[in-house]
Amino acid sequence: SYVLTQPPSVSVAPGQTATITCEGNNIGIKSVYWCQQKPGQAPVVVAYDDSDRPSGIPERVSGSNSGNTATLAISRVEAGDEADYYCQVWDTSSDHVVFGGGTKLTVL
Amino acid sequence: QVQLVESGGGVVQPGRSLRLSCAASRLTFSSYGMHWVRQGPGKGLEWVTFISYDGFYKYYGNSVKGRFTISRDNSKNTLHLEMNNLTAEDTAVYYCAKDVGSYVPYGMDVWGQGTTVTVSS
Repeated sequence: SYVLTQPPSVSVAPGQTATITCEGNNIGIKSVYWCQQKPGQAPVVVAYDDSDRPSGIPERVSGSNSGNTATLAISRVEAGDEADYYCQVWDTSSDHVVFGGGTKLTVL
Repeated sequence: QVQLVESGGGVVQPGRSLRLSCAASRLTFSSYGMHWVRQGPGKGLEWVTFISYDGFYKYYGNSVKGRFTISRDNSKNTLHLEMNNLTAEDTAVYYCAKDVGSYVPYGMDVWGQGTTVTVSS
């Protein structure tokens, strides 16, 4: 089955850029979705189709996808960005939606 | 603003059944595929199942296949999840989510607030 691997945690100082990776075999040919989940809340999509942003998501959030790694970058990080972030793809080989294990972003 | 509201959660004994519902508003419900996703206590997101816009295609995660059934009523803008033979491992918050596509899954762009299912004797 297809596996997506994310770092369990990423820490960054306010104002810096946070980079969250999502690794999967040939993930570059798949469409990657990213969602943000704050404690006690439902997930919210922050990027779709690798790099598109839903309305209401600031331009400092960006996604990219190539080779075996998809990346979510959050520039000028703020305290309000502290959350868990999950990547997700559709695996056509198994007909399964696959989530990464999630990355906890901590703002120092 | 698209809204998805789940209901039907609660405490249920092992081996029993439960039916969840998700009411959709402010979207053309019949045009989109829909998912159920769950999150166990302190755990990450786990995809459960998907149904195409017309109910023709259904896909299930390995841990629920054969026990859970997804269905939809486009006339009532409602999504359902029938859960049978529940175990403690099914304890989770269950979210319904809208897909960006219609026939096959791509990704979720709108999520509900979730309903909690607790399986316990």
